[in-house]
Amino acid sequence: ILNVEQSPQSLHVQEGDSTNFTCSFPSSNFYALHWYRWETAKSPEALFVMTLNGDEKKKGRISATLNTKEGYSYLYIKGSQPEDSATYLCAFYSGAGSYQLTFGKGTKLSVIP
Amino acid sequence: DVKVTQSSRYLVKRTGEKVFLECVQDMDHENMFWYRQDPGLGLRLIYFSYDVKMKEKGDIPEGYSVSREKKERFSLILESASTNQTSMYLCASRESGNTEAFFGQGTRLTVV
Repeated sequence: ILNVEQSPQSLHVQEGDSTNFTCSFPSSNFYALHWYRWETAKSPEALFVMTLNGDEKKKGRISATLNTKEGYSYLYIKGSQPEDSATYLCAFYSGAGSYQLTFGKGTKLSVIP
Repeated sequence: DVKVTQSSRYLVKRTGEKVFLECVQDMDHENMFWYRQDPGLGLRLIYFSYDVKMKEKGDIPEGYSVSREKKERFSLILESASTNQTSMYLCASRESGNTEAFFGQGTRLTVV
């Protein structure tokens, strides 16, 4: 079983604060790293699919970076809003011969108005 | 919009019952997956299928089986439900290669 770790497990931030969390994954056999957002009572939805070392992706106030050599990715949220409250999941994909995504346990973000 | 639909949102079953969880996707994806989500444990893969009638065990297949008779439908079967199978079950589908997964809305199963 591949080891995909996310930290912190949960955090509470004030509305307007910026925040970030980490996903660490095996640096060998890397093919892609996915980020998903899972809001309460909804389905997880993909935020980013990242493949290249040094890659940086952005969607509105949310961005992510990728370091495949050292095996980590950061997710940043600028100016958190209550609607950003969700569990953020990262998933490791090792590519050839593998069909599955291995998920971390997630970071639960609560944004306090 | 890709749609992955799970047959039930909430389900309550008795210990020992045979339980079927159904999942249908409408985007002709080759790959379908069943996960369970438990507090503190994250999403854990139970089974997946990469083609019709093909299935592979995930990380926690014990107590479960699956069926994929048609490309769009992937069923999870609990042969004899037990209380430790009380959980949130999520179905997902994706195309082959490095593509994002699309999830159903989840089925919260309680076994009493």
